[in-house]
Amino acid sequence: GENVEQHPSTLSVQEGDSAVIKCTYSDSASNYFPWYKQELGKRPQLIIDIRSNVGEKKDQRIAVTLNKTAKHFSLHITETQPEDSAVYFCAARDSSASKIIFGSGTRLSIRP
Amino acid sequence: EPEVTQTPSHQVTQMGQEVILRCVPISNHLYFYWYRQILGQKVEFLVSFYNNEISEKSEIFDDQFSVERPDGSNFTLKIRSTKLEDSAMYFCASSEDLGQPQHFGDGTRLSIL
Repeated sequence: GENVEQHPSTLSVQEGDSAVIKCTYSDSASNYFPWYKQELGKRPQLIIDIRSNVGEKKDQRIAVTLNKTAKHFSLHITETQPEDSAVYFCAARDSSASKIIFGSGTRLSIRP
Repeated sequence: EPEVTQTPSHQVTQMGQEVILRCVPISNHLYFYWYRQILGQKVEFLVSFYNNEISEKSEIFDDQFSVERPDGSNFTLKIRSTKLEDSAMYFCASSEDLGQPQHFGDGTRLSIL
């Protein structure tokens, strides 16, 4: 079955700098890769997703890249702000499955 | 924006008792899911439900667990004979269809004493 690895587990960046979180997946059949942001005690909130027919997607300060050959995908947050502090989860799903397989999460802290 | 709603927000139960966690998916969504998150760990898939039957389940979802859509709006997760290790946050999610984004509710924190 699918396995998603995520790193780093914790990341601290200065406010205004960029943050990058990286994930790898094992199942080459996976074709949908969502990213969720989870604030303390709250629900996982979908912030961006990418399908395997594109290599990059951007939404304001957030971008995601996908390398299907290497089975890597990454989240990039530019001009970080204090409200970006949260745990971020990458995930993967294949076309035949309904379940999402989550990575282990990255705790992002933005230093003022 | 429509949301997935879950009740209760916190459930405390004695070990061995049965609990029912309730969810109201987004109204036009066809696929429903339950996930579990043990404190400090990743979110784990339990089960997906479509057209009034389970479409996929994980190895976690054993005979202790069951799901039901008792009416046109609710989607429930029943856990029988609860164990200490069932303590976790349980999230319900829904999607318009297979392949569409899954939207999560706020979760039910289940504490087994």
